[in-house]
Amino acid sequence: DTEVTQTPKHLVMGMTNKKSLKCEQHMGHRAMYWYKQKAKKPPELMFVYSYEKLSINESVPSRFSPECPNSSLLNLHLHALQPEDSALYLCASSQEGGQLGVQYFGPGTRLLVL
Amino acid sequence: SQKIEQNSEALNIQEGKTATLTCNYTNYSPAYLQWYRQDPGRGPVFLLLIRENEKEKRKERLKVTFDTTLKQSLFHITASQPADSATYLCALMKTSYDKVIFGPGTSLSVIP
Repeated sequence: DTEVTQTPKHLVMGMTNKKSLKCEQHMGHRAMYWYKQKAKKPPELMFVYSYEKLSINESVPSRFSPECPNSSLLNLHLHALQPEDSALYLCASSQEGGQLGVQYFGPGTRLLVL
Repeated sequence: SQKIEQNSEALNIQEGKTATLTCNYTNYSPAYLQWYRQDPGRGPVFLLLIRENEKEKRKERLKVTFDTTLKQSLFHITASQPADSATYLCALMKTSYDKVIFGPGTSLSVIP
């Protein structure tokens, strides 16, 4: 299984809502990532988990809260978002140190904040 | 600070021709360079990886070169097809444990 799955595919939320994005992989990868991608821009790294521990936080606002419950799952909790947070949120995984950092991406969650 | 540039934003070519995409970088010394393909509304898909000590890598109709002196990688698609139309991203890493830094991407359109 070389697939990374993400739910939901689309999400519309108000600025006072709390929602969560979910990501799952069953490739045995020990590194998992959250990226944010705006239209016509490259993916922008937000968080990296390595062996279920947060290893990189790219100065992301606290209204985004990542969680890694186990080696297969990655969540991104959203609270009090702003309209400018509307974007495609991508989850990825890679074999830690192996496969030379090749990342496997999920299909993304298209988020719209009203 | 490090900077990655790719071709123009968009590239149009005729079906059957070879598409050549460019990735240039400054203030950076990557040990690995990757190329990804991204279709609209989807996540990037890994295509090829080349190491700093490799000059060229091939996979079917794809070829990548890596010139650390010029600080440039070229990505070629031979016998291009309309199905090759997508955005292509180059991505750089200093080590296999480093985070991946993506270039801005080039949108390729192959015209029938």
